Amino acid sequence: AQSVAQPEDQVNVAEGNPLTVKCTYSVSGNPYLFWYVQYPNRGLQFLLKYITGDNLVKGSYGFEAEFNKSQTSFHLKKPSALVSDSALYFCAVSPLNSGYSTLTFGKGTMLLVSP
Amino acid sequence: NAGVTQTPKFQVLKTGQSMTLQCAQDMNHNSMYWYRQDPGMGLRLIYYSASEGTTDKGEVPNGYNVSRLNKREFSLRLESAAPSQTSVYFCASSEAPRAGGAEAFFGQGTRLTVV
Repeated sequence: AQSVAQPEDQVNVAEGNPLTVKCTYSVSGNPYLFWYVQYPNRGLQFLLKYITGDNLVKGSYGFEAEFNKSQTSFHLKKPSALVSDSALYFCAVSPLNSGYSTLTFGKGTMLLVSP
Repeated sequence: NAGVTQTPKFQVLKTGQSMTLQCAQDMNHNSMYWYRQDPGMGLRLIYYSASEGTTDKGEVPNGYNVSRLNKREFSLRLESAAPSQTSVYFCASSEAPRAGGAEAFFGQGTRLTVV
């Protein structure tokens, strides 16, 4: 069975500072990894994904994530946080051989960016 | 381009009542999904349809049924609602490339309360 852990319920950062939202996973073999963002009373929006290749993945809104196979981690990062980045962030994993997106999600991390 | 549309957006049911949540996508995606979101638990897969004509159980299927009406529409039915089914329900769709790893597109959600 696959699983995703987001160890922090909430991350607080000041605007302009770098941010990191942590994610670790457990899966047999190599996974597909995703980050999604949810703004209040909205559905989830795709940010970025890791399939294969370069361990540093760049996505929407200036976010990037680093895949580390030895540490089974896929941390979300941004060099300079904006107040508008405040939202709920989900890490998710999908089976490698699946042609569809039966995602297993982490519990989510609330990111609060203060002015 | 509407993407994934869910109806209704809000619903209150009495215990034992039945209802159907509707979902339609206009992106010509092969795969569709139903997730539920509960506080502190992330999103959990209820049912999915890898392609038109097929449906499969996800992590938490008990108490639910689904119908893939056609390529565009995927409905979720609660036959006899229980308070434990109070949740926010999300429909999603994705392409089905052979290599997998397709990102899912989510609807805005249906907030269901069972009293």
